[in-house]
Amino acid sequence: GESVGLHLPTLSVQEGDNSIINCAYSNSASDYFIWYKQESGKGPQFIIDIRSNMDKRQGQRVTVLLNKTVKHLSLQIAATQPGDSAVYFCAETRPSGGYQKVTFGIGTKLQVIP
Amino acid sequence: DADVTQTPRNRITKTGKRIMLECSQTKGHDRMYWYRQDPGLGLRLIYYSFDVKDINKGEISDGYSVSRQAQAKFSLSLESAIPNQTALYFCATSDFGLAGEKNEQFFGPGTRLTVL
Repeated sequence: GESVGLHLPTLSVQEGDNSIINCAYSNSASDYFIWYKQESGKGPQFIIDIRSNMDKRQGQRVTVLLNKTVKHLSLQIAATQPGDSAVYFCAETRPSGGYQKVTFGIGTKLQVIP
Repeated sequence: DADVTQTPRNRITKTGKRIMLECSQTKGHDRMYWYRQDPGLGLRLIYYSFDVKDINKGEISDGYSVSRQAQAKFSLSLESAIPNQTALYFCATSDFGLAGEKNEQFFGPGTRLTVL
C-alpha cells in the first residue's frame, strides 16, 4: 500500500486540528459523489457521499461540501486523529448507458502529526 | 473488508506468464468490478459484471480477461503478463443502483502484482 502514496499531494496536520481535503471533478453531468479513505495495505473504504442536489452533508466528524458552479468537492475532518492518516480520494458518478459510471480522483495523502 | 476477499495478496511473476487473480464476496451483490491502481493515477476500471451472464469491458481491458463463475466469484486473468501490468489490483462489489441513487462500492484488500 505504500506505493499508493507516491506522487500524491500531501497534507500534514497537527493532531486535533481540522483537515480540509479538496477535489476538482471534471464532468458537469456527475450527479453523485463519494469520498473514500484508503489506509496503507488496504482497499478503499466509503466515508461519506453527497448528491448533486445538495451542497453540504455531515457525518461523524466529517463534512462534505459540493460547489457545482466550479465543480469542486471538499472533505472536512474535524479534530483530526492519528487514525485518520490515509489517502483520501473522491469519486464522481454520472449516468452512462444505463449504469452509473464512476471516475476516481488520484487522492491526497493525509499525514497526522501527533 | 472481510466481505470481499482477494487471492493472492501478493504475487511476483515473470513476463509472459499467465496469472489469475481471484475475488470472492459474501455481500450478496450482483455487481462486481476489477480495478488497477498505479502511483499518481486514480483507480481505473478493467472489467465489470452486473450479473453472471453480463461482462463488460472497462477503460483499460486490453491484456486482461475475466470470468464470473458465480454471483460471488469474479476472477481476473492476465493471459501473458508484461511489466507495465505491475500494479495494485482491487476487486469491488456494489448493489444495484439506479442513476442518482447511492452507488457505494465495497473493495477487497487488493493484490499487489509485480511482473519482472
